[in-house]
Order: sequence, then C-alpha cells, then structure tokens
Amino acid sequence: AQSVTQPDIHITVSEGASLELRCNYSYGATPYLFWYVQSPGQGLQLLLKYFSGDTLVQGIKGFEAEFKRSQSSFNLRKPSVHWSDAAEYFCASVSGNTPLVFGKGTRLSVIA
Amino acid sequence: ETGVTQSPTHLIKTRGQQVTLRCSSQSGHNTVSWYQQALGQGPQFIFQYYREEENGRGNFPPRFSGLQFPNYSSELNVNALELDDSALYLCASSIGDKPFSGYTFGSGTRLTVV
Repeated sequence: AQSVTQPDIHITVSEGASLELRCNYSYGATPYLFWYVQSPGQGLQLLLKYFSGDTLVQGIKGFEAEFKRSQSSFNLRKPSVHWSDAAEYFCASVSGNTPLVFGKGTRLSVIA
Repeated sequence: ETGVTQSPTHLIKTRGQQVTLRCSSQSGHNTVSWYQQALGQGPQFIFQYYREEENGRGNFPPRFSGLQFPNYSSELNVNALELDDSALYLCASSIGDKPFSGYTFGSGTRLTVV
C-alpha cells in the first residue's frame, strides 16, 4: 500500500539557518508528491508539488524540494528560515486512483 | 484564498449524537475528499466523492457517510458520535481525473465530542 514517512517529528532551527525536512514515499510507480504547511488551527496550504520533469521544484515562501527516485525521497528545503515559518509540515503523495496519503507531519520550531 | 469553505468552524457534540459538516468546493472541481486529523497526527483519508458517487473510502466505519451535490458542495455525516471522533475535519476539492492539479483544502471544522 502507498505510504509516506516523515522521520522527524519535531525540528528546531535558528532563525536564518537552513532547513531540510525529510520525506520518503513507498510506491512502485512515481507518485505525485506534495508538501503542505499547516499553521495552528488552520487548514493545509500547498507549498509545492512534483509530477515529472525537473526534479528540483520551487514553491511559495522560498521553499524548494528535490525528488530523488533512487532514494524514494522528496525532501523540503529552505536556505534561510524566518520565524513565521514555524508550523506543521506535511508531505503527501497520490498515484493513479489512490487517495492523497499524508505523512504524520514534522513540527518546525524557530528560535531567535 | 483557498476557494474551499467549510462550516461550521467549531462544533461541540455529545457522545451518541449525530453531526453534519459541510463543504463548498472550489469552482470547477468535481471531486471532494474528506479527511480526519486527530491532534498531533497527519490527516487520515475518510472517503472521496466524484460526480456525486463515492469512489474511494478509507478505514472508517459506516457511521461515517457523505453526500456530494450537483453544485459540488458536500456533506460529511457522522452518526453515534464517539469521544475518539474529536478531531479537525478537512475537506479538499480537486479535479477527478487530474490529480496533478492539486488539492485545495478548506480551513476545517473542529469537532469536539464530550
């Protein structure tokens, strides 16, 4: 069955430092991959998505993600984190007729 | 803007009661999916409707049911509420045969069962 794994439950980063959030997917075919961000008490906002082509995708708010087929990974990165980036981040995938499947999320804390 | 509206935003119900949550999909999106997000967890797929027919269901009991209307609005109904049903319920709209178009989520309904 399709699954998404986010190994890090909680990450703390200093403001201005770089960030990488990990995501691994499990599916035979190349899925469509997404990263969403959720602020407390809010819904999910799409940061970026990957379907095919260039394996490095750019998203909103300065985020990017790189698809690596050999590692079944789709890690999210940002070169310089801002305090407003503190939130919960979810990686998700869909393939064929399967529903959108989410990882358990990574909570990002940003310290001064 | 999200384009997907959910109501109500918050709701408190008593165990054993029934509840109906509503979702107004983004214009042009013919598919709606419902998710349950327990505190500290990722969203879990409940079911999906495409052109008013259920075409996918997650591991949820039959007391979770839904409807999709011709105007693409939809409802999630939960009967015989249990304490564990307390969660944030999210709906997402998409274009059925184009998953790459992405999913637009509403802000959710926070259900508390006491």
